[in-house]
Amino acid sequence: GNSVTQMEGPVTLSEEAFLTINCTYTATGYPSLFWYVQYPGEGLQLLLKATKADDKGSNKGFEATYRKETTSFHLEKGSVQVSDSAVYFCALSSNTGKLIFGQGTTLQVKP
Amino acid sequence: ETGVTQTPRHLVMGMTNKKSLKCEQHLGHNAMYWYKQSAKKPLELMFVYNFKEQTENNSVPSRFSPECPNSSHLFLHLHTLQPEDSALYLCASSRLGGTGGPSDANTGELFFGEGSRLTVL
Repeated sequence: GNSVTQMEGPVTLSEEAFLTINCTYTATGYPSLFWYVQYPGEGLQLLLKATKADDKGSNKGFEATYRKETTSFHLEKGSVQVSDSAVYFCALSSNTGKLIFGQGTTLQVKP
Repeated sequence: ETGVTQTPRHLVMGMTNKKSLKCEQHLGHNAMYWYKQSAKKPLELMFVYNFKEQTENNSVPSRFSPECPNSSHLFLHLHTLQPEDSALYLCASSRLGGTGGPSDANTGELFFGEGSRLTVL
């Protein structure tokens, strides 16, 4: 079946450090891939997405590339800020349209 | 303004109470969802409604009763809950194709409300 696996957190970084949050998936067909972010006390917001292999999604300095050969969609940012502290969820859209989420990775950025 | 509004934001109830959570979307979507988010557990999909019809119930206990009177409103009626039901309940909406699957304009993106934090004493 379809599934998403994220690296376990929490991830703790200093401001301006480089961020990578790993995400791998298992799916039949050609799913769309997403990263959602949840800031403290809020719901989930779409951060970026990619709909086909080799697509790169980007937003707010974050990037992720849809790698079909490695079934991965790792999230990266070159220089994190304290305001990036949140929980990040990787997700895929199955061929029925249902969204399947990873378990979430907490990012803490310290000044 | 997220386009998906949930009320109340916080709710404390006893195990014998009956309460309801409300969700309203202003995005013109035709699918709505309830998710449960507990500490240190993955997001759990509870219910899915497509064009007001329930299309998915992920083995949710009957003490949770959803209601979708129209495509813009979704309720979760709660009764005789247990302390382990304490969690953040998230509502989401999306646009689907006419067959109930993804449309060309929608790749499965969900729009979430800010959640209702439920505490069962």
